[in-house]
Amino acid sequence: DGGITQSPKYLFRKEGQNVTLSCEQNLNHDAMYWYRQDPGQGLRLIYYSQIVNDFQKGDIAEGYSVSREKKESFPLTVTSAQKNPTAFYLCASRANEDQPQHFGDGTRLSIL
Amino acid sequence: SQQGEEDPQALSIQEGENATMNCSYKTSINNLQWYRQNSGRGLVHLILIRSNEREKHSGRLRVTLDTSKKSSSLLITASRAADTASYFCLTVQGAQKLVFGQGTRLTINP
Repeated sequence: DGGITQSPKYLFRKEGQNVTLSCEQNLNHDAMYWYRQDPGQGLRLIYYSQIVNDFQKGDIAEGYSVSREKKESFPLTVTSAQKNPTAFYLCASRANEDQPQHFGDGTRLSIL
Repeated sequence: SQQGEEDPQALSIQEGENATMNCSYKTSINNLQWYRQNSGRGLVHLILIRSNEREKHSGRLRVTLDTSKKSSSLLITASRAADTASYFCLTVQGAQKLVFGQGTRLTINP
């Protein structure tokens, strides 16, 4: 079955450490997205990519970085510059702007 | 206030009753989408309504869109315990402007 896979489900970060969240899709979608969700809140856009080797900052990109070397993969790195990284991170993809987004099951990041 | 605001923030009803949640936005949109999120999970797409459409149905779900009032509503009829979740609207303005609302937490009491 086609879908989006995020890993790991839970991740812990030490102070000063960078961590990378994985997002893989086999839906053949061009566009991919990373969102951050804080408890009881909606989703805020971190980065998005509409095509391989291209990506754009979203509303809260500071302290995060991404790459899009393959169509199927859009990893997110939470750097040590992100001072409040504890959150639920969701990855999504869509075929085009007239289609809905498909979401992974998320990664919950916590600080040790 | 921001694009994609929802109300109410929380809604608690008895099983079998209808649930209505609303989404308001500020700028013109290409389409508006509704999603459901169960606790600790990803979002599941429910309905997409385009700016030139006024109403769409899917099973027990009905979505309306009023572009003159910049608002949309999601109606869930004959609610079930399994409908307990958070519901979000997403407004889409072209390829680059996607904004989620803060969500409505729906609780269905048996």
